[in-house]
Amino acid sequence: AQSVTQLDSHVSVSEGTPVLLRCNYSSSYSPSLFWYVQHPNKGLQLLLKYTSAATLVKGINGFEAEFKKSETSFHLTKPSAHMSDAAEYFCVVSDPMNRDDKIIFGKGTRLHILP
Amino acid sequence: DTEVTQTPKHLVMGMTNKKSLKCEQHMGHRAMYWYKQKAKKPPELMFVYSYEKLSINESVPSRFSPECPNSSLLNLHLHALQPEDSALYLCASSPFLDQPQHFGDGTRLSIL
Repeated sequence: AQSVTQLDSHVSVSEGTPVLLRCNYSSSYSPSLFWYVQHPNKGLQLLLKYTSAATLVKGINGFEAEFKKSETSFHLTKPSAHMSDAAEYFCVVSDPMNRDDKIIFGKGTRLHILP
Repeated sequence: DTEVTQTPKHLVMGMTNKKSLKCEQHMGHRAMYWYKQKAKKPPELMFVYSYEKLSINESVPSRFSPECPNSSLLNLHLHALQPEDSALYLCASSPFLDQPQHFGDGTRLSIL
């Protein structure tokens, strides 16, 4: 069975400093991994995806994530935080070999940006 | 602007009412999804349609009834809902199953 764990429910960083949002996954096969962002009263927006190509994935708005199979991690990073990055972030795993074709959401990490 | 359009944005209904939520996409996607999201929680998958056929039903109560009339449209019919059904209902679509999903902004549903 697959699962995803977001290690921090809240992260606070100062504007202009690096962002690290941590995600660990468990999957029987080679999973697809995604990061989504949700701003208040909005739907989810795809930031980036990993689908067994390059392990370092670049996304929108300066975000990137690195797939590390040995650590079963897919942490999200950004070199310099902006006030507009304040939002909820979800790590998502999908296993194409899973007959149920389910996708699993992490519980989310709320990113706070301090001025 | 999102490419997945949900209407209405807000809905208040009594427990005896019948209403429908609508979702529309014109990206040619063949997979469409309904999610329920409570405050400060991740979305919970309710239903998945693939090529207009119900692919996944996550043991959702029968007071929620999905319908996919065509490849662009997805409805969620509501009847005799309970106060605990108050939530944000999100629709999403993807080119096929297991592809990244595009989300609408949701319908905020309140049950009185």
